[in-house]
Formats: sequence, structure tokens, C-alpha cells
Amino acid sequence: EDQVTQSPEALRLQEGESSSLNCSYTVSGLRGLFWYRQDPGKGPEFLFTLYSAGEEKEKERLKATLTKKESFLHITAPKPEDSATYLCAVQAGTYKYIFGTGTRLKVLA
Amino acid sequence: DARVTQTPRHKVTEMGQEVTMRCQPILGHNTVFWYRQTMMQGLELLAYFRNRAPLDDSGMPKDRFSAEMPDATLATLKIQPSEPRDSAVYFCASGLVPTSGISSTDTQYFGPGTRLTVL
Repeated sequence: EDQVTQSPEALRLQEGESSSLNCSYTVSGLRGLFWYRQDPGKGPEFLFTLYSAGEEKEKERLKATLTKKESFLHITAPKPEDSATYLCAVQAGTYKYIFGTGTRLKVLA
Repeated sequence: DARVTQTPRHKVTEMGQEVTMRCQPILGHNTVFWYRQTMMQGLELLAYFRNRAPLDDSGMPKDRFSAEMPDATLATLKIQPSEPRDSAVYFCASGLVPTSGISSTDTQYFGPGTRLTVL
């Protein structure tokens, strides 16, 4: 069964304390892996798409990487404004999209 | 700044009533998605449209839910009759994929959602 699991469920960091969020997946025929950021009361905001193992993408303090079994979202020197829920999703077929349940990140000043 | 818009933003209704949610995708996008988000289940894909045609609605309860795209600028999700278990936030998202050749991945741009409460 196709599945996406994110860990940890929640993470508290001090400002400047770098860390990584994990997204592990088991799907047949990965078409793409997506990272989104969701703020309370808002829709998910697109961050990155990764297509193949070994691919990396960066945006400001965020860096996403992909292997054959998992993806990491690295947050370098986070700031309080990085606090949000980070969602991982996979496209497992033309019409099949599976989201993880997210990691709630809180960055303390 | 192109955005997906959704109306209404909030809806409170009583069990048994009809609910219609509307979505305006980003101009030029050719795919539309409807999702439901709850604390327990997270984001669940309900329906997927490409070029206004419904390609997949396997995630949608067929007996009470229906989704349509009357034109390229409007997508609707209807629940009739509504039940308390339908209470959730409903998101619409749109994207752009090539219209010819091998289909590629869909990067989705989400609207702000409709928070539905069924009493």
C-alpha cells in the first residue's frame, strides 16, 4: 500500500538551532515528491518538487533532499517566522497524490 | 500575484442541508484538485480535473458529494445532504501540466480553504 510518513510529529527549536524533518515513503512508481508549508488557517504553500534520488533544492534557510526511500527538509538557522506545519506529499500515479500528516515546527526566539 | 480563490471561507449549516463550495483556479492553469483536511486524516484527495474533465473522484463519497467545472474559471464541490462527519476544511488547488506528450508532475497551488461545520 502506498504510504507517506512524516517525523517527528512536532518539533521545537531555539532560534538558530538547525534541524531536519523526515518524510519516508513507500510508493510504486514515484512521479514526484513535494514539500509544502502550512500556516494556521491557511492553505498549504508550495516549497519544492523533487523528481529523482540525489536531487536537492534550496530556498533561503530550507534545503530539500531526496533518496529512494525518504526525503529530508533541512532547516538552517531557523527563525520564529519559520514556525509552521511542513507537509510532504508524493505523486504515485497520474491521479494519485498522498500527503503525510505533517511536522508542526515551532521556533522559539 | 495570481492566487486560487475559494468561497465561502466559512460555512455553518445543519445536517441535511445542501452545501456548495466554489473555487476559482489560477488563470491559465489546467488542473484542479479538491481536498478535505481533518485533524485525524490530514489532507485527502477528493477529486481531480484536467482541462475541466473529471479524471478521478475515487476519494469522494459518491452518494452525497459531487464535483463539477462549469467553465475554466469555476470549480464547484457540492454536498447533499450534509452530515456532521463532513465537517472539515475543504481546499481547492490548481496546477499546470503540458497538454501534450507524457504527463508530468502536478505542482499544486492551494486556495485558503472553506471551513465547513455541519451541526
